[in-house]
Amino acid sequence: ETGVTQTPRHLVMGMTNKKSLKCEQHLGHNAMYWYKQSAKKPLELMFVYNFKEQTENNSVPSRFSPECPNSSHLFLHLHTLQPEDSALYLCASSQDPGGGAGETQYFGPGTRLLVL
Amino acid sequence: QKEVEQNSGPLSVPEGAIASLNCTYSDRGSQSFFWYRQYSGKSPELIMSIYSNGDKEDGRFTAQLNKASQYVSLLIRDSQPSDSATYLCAVNSPSHAGNMLTFGGGTRLMVKP
Repeated sequence: ETGVTQTPRHLVMGMTNKKSLKCEQHLGHNAMYWYKQSAKKPLELMFVYNFKEQTENNSVPSRFSPECPNSSHLFLHLHTLQPEDSALYLCASSQDPGGGAGETQYFGPGTRLLVL
Repeated sequence: QKEVEQNSGPLSVPEGAIASLNCTYSDRGSQSFFWYRQYSGKSPELIMSIYSNGDKEDGRFTAQLNKASQYVSLLIRDSQPSDSATYLCAVNSPSHAGNMLTFGGGTRLMVKP
């Protein structure tokens, strides 16, 4: 248990559905991240939030829409996804985005998404 | 394009042996280096971080960093079957955001009893 929780753990959705992934960290961290992990591909950073402000969008399609209402919660809103978006979506948090030991990222358990 | 390279494996070692996992990176400006372990179907969990050249030991794990050669390695002594997992190397790439980790593809380790 890393102190980062994600819901739901599994999600099956059609291409016309709208769904949201939720992440919550109980570590008092200031930075939160969304990653995508597809089969046989490295972890891909999608979004970075520092102190609730989005600081990175790693060329992610607009069908993925992040929301960070406060430093403890992060959402990923999904709409009109494609089958190739099926993957494990991981949330992570770190104390300090600026470097040093505080930049260590701790991962949640992930949401396994299947798009039909 | 910042890259982190790992041999995908599988790396097979007998129980009790030393497992050696290697990682190379392309960005000379990288400052922080991390090893994560990921069991099948689970999320990555941090094993070690290293910031300075040389060795850093934590129990059965030793991380080694050589910035001049741009490689970082992880040694696992007295390997156990429970060490069987995929090991991810992650490298900090300084950016205006302050912290972006680039991950390698991972090395799958199999420890045979």
